[in-house]
Amino acid sequence: TQLLEQSPQFLSIQEGENLTVYCNSSSVFSSLQWYRQEPGEGPVLLVTVVTGGEVKKLKRLTFQFGDARKDSSLHITAAQPGDTGLYLCAGGGNNRKLIWGLGTSLAVNP
Amino acid sequence: SAVISQKPSRDICQRGTSLTIQCQVDSQVTMMFWYRQQPGQSLTLIATANQGSEATYESGFVIDKFPISRPNLTFSTLTVSNMSPEDSSIYLCSVGYTFGSGTRLTVV
Repeated sequence: TQLLEQSPQFLSIQEGENLTVYCNSSSVFSSLQWYRQEPGEGPVLLVTVVTGGEVKKLKRLTFQFGDARKDSSLHITAAQPGDTGLYLCAGGGNNRKLIWGLGTSLAVNP
Repeated sequence: SAVISQKPSRDICQRGTSLTIQCQVDSQVTMMFWYRQQPGQSLTLIATANQGSEATYESGFVIDKFPISRPNLTFSTLTVSNMSPEDSSIYLCSVGYTFGSGTRLTVV
């Protein structure tokens, strides 16, 4: 059974601080997605990484896929209150059924 | 990417009743997914809905409790049957990596 361990589960930081969220697995994934979800909305896809060692940047967000395609990280630089939300990682299987991490609830305080 | 319209956005229901949630996609898609999510927590897959065949349910979810319809390639419904307070949750449909906005269900 494929599992994704996501950490930390909760994170409360001050505006301007940096943070990193991790997703780790013992299984290889063909791709891995990061989502952000706000209350009352569905998850919104931030990025998909597919190549081992791949790094993608989205403004202040940096996503990395491990060389072995078993782990990934999301780094946010100079966090802002607008970054507050639930961050979810999900691993894509060949049948498109996603394996989900438990989520990281991020609060950025002004 | 696809655009999904999900409704209702929220409902408060009496125990023992049923609620049907609808998802309309702006393009034809083969597979649609239905999830359940407790607020602030991760998603749990209920079932995969394919057009023209019965839905495939995940462990812990059964068709009698969560019947799904998939009449065409752009539409699906999930019914939560004979509801109890334990069914209170957020229900989401998805296509690929795109999600509906969710239905927040409260059973009283």
